[in-house]
Amino acid sequence: DSGVTQTPKHLITATGQRVTLRCSPRSGDLSVYWYQQSLDQGLQFLIHYYNGEERAKGNILERFSAQQFPDLHSELNLSSLELGDSALYFCASSVGSGVSVAEAFFGQGTRLTVV
Amino acid sequence: AQRVTQPEKLLSVFKGAPVELKCNYSYSGSPELFWYVQYSRQRLQLLLRHISRESIKGFTADLNKGETSFHLKKPFAQEEDSAMYYCARGSARQLTFGSGTQLTVLP
Repeated sequence: DSGVTQTPKHLITATGQRVTLRCSPRSGDLSVYWYQQSLDQGLQFLIHYYNGEERAKGNILERFSAQQFPDLHSELNLSSLELGDSALYFCASSVGSGVSVAEAFFGQGTRLTVV
Repeated sequence: AQRVTQPEKLLSVFKGAPVELKCNYSYSGSPELFWYVQYSRQRLQLLLRHISRESIKGFTADLNKGETSFHLKKPFAQEEDSAMYYCARGSARQLTFGSGTQLTVLP
């Protein structure tokens, strides 16, 4: 167990709805990263937070937003959901603000299915 | 922009045969490179990182700055090596992943 916890494990929702995915990083890790894994796009970086502040943005849609709370857990909010948003959403955490020598540890992911 | 290229989406080898999963990266300074593995229905996990020059589960990867490559190799593939393999490059702000190679080791 890597210590990164993601809830829920599975989520099925309808188009147009809004969902919130939650991530608790490993104890002591200040950085949280969100990734989207879909069949056709592979593993895409969405966003990175370090100690509550946004550090980097990747291919994150405007309909998506994230935040990191004072207790360092993070939430990814997905709104106006479309069928194409169905994917596995991974959270990863690391000690520092980058991953230069400290590797990121991944959670088991939340599988989102939009119907 | 940083790019990580894994040219093979699928790779099949027979058990006991050597295997090489290719990874190339766009040149920029001193890269930090990693290989991640995802076994069926499991989380993505770090396999090895170039900085530690280690061998994990028989896999090794050598950073070749001249060819900007970080290919993953194993001399004798095992069936349990069947998985999705991602090459990744670290920077100050993020990990950039390649598109992944699905390795299947046939009996």
